[in-house]
Amino acid sequence: GENVEQHPSTLSVQEGDSAVIKCTYSDSASNYFPWYKQELGKGPQLIIDIRSNVGEKKDQRIAVTLNKTAKHFSLHITETQPEDSAVYFCAASGPGAGSYQLTFGKGTKLSVIP
Amino acid sequence: GAGVSQSPRYKVAKRGQDVALRCDPISGHVSLFWYQQALGQGPEFLTYFQNEAQLDKSGLPSDRFFAERPEGSVSTLKIQRTQQEDSAVYLCASSRGAGGGYNEQFFGPGTRLTVL
Repeated sequence: GENVEQHPSTLSVQEGDSAVIKCTYSDSASNYFPWYKQELGKGPQLIIDIRSNVGEKKDQRIAVTLNKTAKHFSLHITETQPEDSAVYFCAASGPGAGSYQLTFGKGTKLSVIP
Repeated sequence: GAGVSQSPRYKVAKRGQDVALRCDPISGHVSLFWYQQALGQGPEFLTYFQNEAQLDKSGLPSDRFFAERPEGSVSTLKIQRTQQEDSAVYLCASSRGAGGGYNEQFFGPGTRLTVL
């Protein structure tokens, strides 16, 4: 089955700086890569996603890049703000009958220092 | 607007007790998922429903775990004879469409189960 590795596990940045979180996946057939933000005591919330037919997607301060050859995708947050502090999860899913099944990374705890 | 709700939010059980966790998905959502999230880990898939049909239960860790969605809306995850290793947050998610990774999954706040 799919295996998703995520790093770093913790990340501290100064407010206004950029943050980058990286993930690798094992199944070359995977074609959908969402990123979720989870705040304390809440469920994960989708912040951005990318499909395998594009290499980059941007939404305001958040961007995701995908390198299918290397089986690697990254989340970039620019101009970080204290409210960006949370745990971020990458995930992957593939085509076919099991395409609904998301495999998550272990998460990155992001702390933005005011 | 109404999102996915779960109850109870917290549950403490003695080892060997049975528990039932409830999920109310977003109205009209066809797909419903259960995930288990251990402390400091990402969610792990347990089971998937499309309407009332349980199409995939490959992630359920043992036959002590049972899920149902009899009328295609509310779902219940039942754990029989709870063990300490069952302690985790149980997340429910729903999505509008039927299957397919492109359908955004909306998560509830989870139920934190602690087995003593």
